[in-house]
Order: sequence, then C-alpha cells, then structure tokens
Amino acid sequence: NAGVTQTPKFQVLKTGQSMTLQCAQDMNHEYMSWYRQDPGMGLRLIHYSVGAGITDQGEVPNGYNVSRSTTEDFPLRLLSAAPSQTSVYFCASSYAGLAGRDTQYFGPGTRLTVL
Amino acid sequence: TQLLEQSPQFLSIQEGENLTVYCNSSSVFSSLQWYRQEPGEGPVLLVTVVTGGEVKKLKRLTFQFGDARKDSSLHITAAQPGDTGLYLCAGGAGDSNYQLIWGAGTKLIIKP
Repeated sequence: NAGVTQTPKFQVLKTGQSMTLQCAQDMNHEYMSWYRQDPGMGLRLIHYSVGAGITDQGEVPNGYNVSRSTTEDFPLRLLSAAPSQTSVYFCASSYAGLAGRDTQYFGPGTRLTVL
Repeated sequence: TQLLEQSPQFLSIQEGENLTVYCNSSSVFSSLQWYRQEPGEGPVLLVTVVTGGEVKKLKRLTFQFGDARKDSSLHITAAQPGDTGLYLCAGGAGDSNYQLIWGAGTKLIIKP
C-alpha cells in the first residue's frame, strides 16, 4: 500500500493564480481531510469529507474548495492564490474519522509559496 | 472554543537525559492522541489515550492522560537523537465530532 500520496511536493504560485493540490489514498478510508500547517500554529483543518459526495468546512475554509467524487481522491483547489496561503498543506485519511479515536494517516505534504 | 496548549514550545537537551512535555486544556476531551512529525514529513500517530488516568508505554516513551481528561503528558527516558522531532497532541471532543483539536507542538532536539 502506498498510503496517502500528495502531489506536487513543492509549488510556487503568483498572487491570483489558481491550482489544485492532489491527494489520494489506497486504504479504502471513508474520512479524508486537508490541513494547513504554519509555524507556531499547529495544524488547522481546512475541509473534510466523511465519504464520497460529502464534504464539510473546517476551521479555515475561505479561499479553498474541495470535492469528493471517489473514495480514493480528495483534491484541494485554491481559487485565487494569496500570500496568506503560503503554507505546508497536509492531506490525511482515517477509517471513519472519529476525532481522537481513529488513526489519522498523513501524506508527505505540499509546500506552497505564493508570491 | 476548545484549546490545547503545549509546553514547552521548544526543548533542546543532550542524549541520555529525561524530559517531559505537556498538553493542557481547560476543557474535557473524550480522548487524546500524540503524534510525532519529522522534518519534511507528515505526523505519525504514537498513541491514543481514552480513559482518565490512563498510562501507556511505548519503549522509552510514557504517555499519561489526566484523571479529569483535561491534560496529558509525554515523558521520554534516556532520550536519543532519533527522538528528535515535533510532538503534537490532538484531542477529540466526542464520538460524533470529526474535527480534532490540535496543539501547536513541542519541537524537541536531542543532541548526540
């Protein structure tokens, strides 16, 4: 099993550009999520999904869109990149998403810089 | 709003020393998890504690969940350079809640 994979690993954007961060998992997990990690702030939840066709907002959803058409894939779209979105982005998956009970499996991260 | 505060934020010690890091809140959590993150990688789960007063050991790492389920600690005995990393605690508020509450982390460096 590859676990959780993310592409690209690094990305530089100009302000106003759009892009999609890809995330895939091969563990047949129902729950998938996107976090951003900034220095000194821990992990902040952007969006999550409890199954194909179901998504919901997390703590910091503004400027990001998600969709879940399959169990395996959960892409994150930046609509119009801003310097405040410079961060490291992690995708995670778990069996059912029960906070604090299920093991969260994380991808290796995407390091995004917006100029 | 539930918050988890971790202390210290940064700790640098010599190989062989013992250390304790803390994860505190004014709120009650149904369970708490500890993750370790190495540079350039995603966090990896170390342990989940669900019962007040629970103690779990993972080799030289000892995790404790407070009796009131508002705090947790991680104690490392005879730290080794391989223990270097960012240690994150994360709490669950209830079985129907899909959102973990994360602490900001303790960055630990073990010098040879």
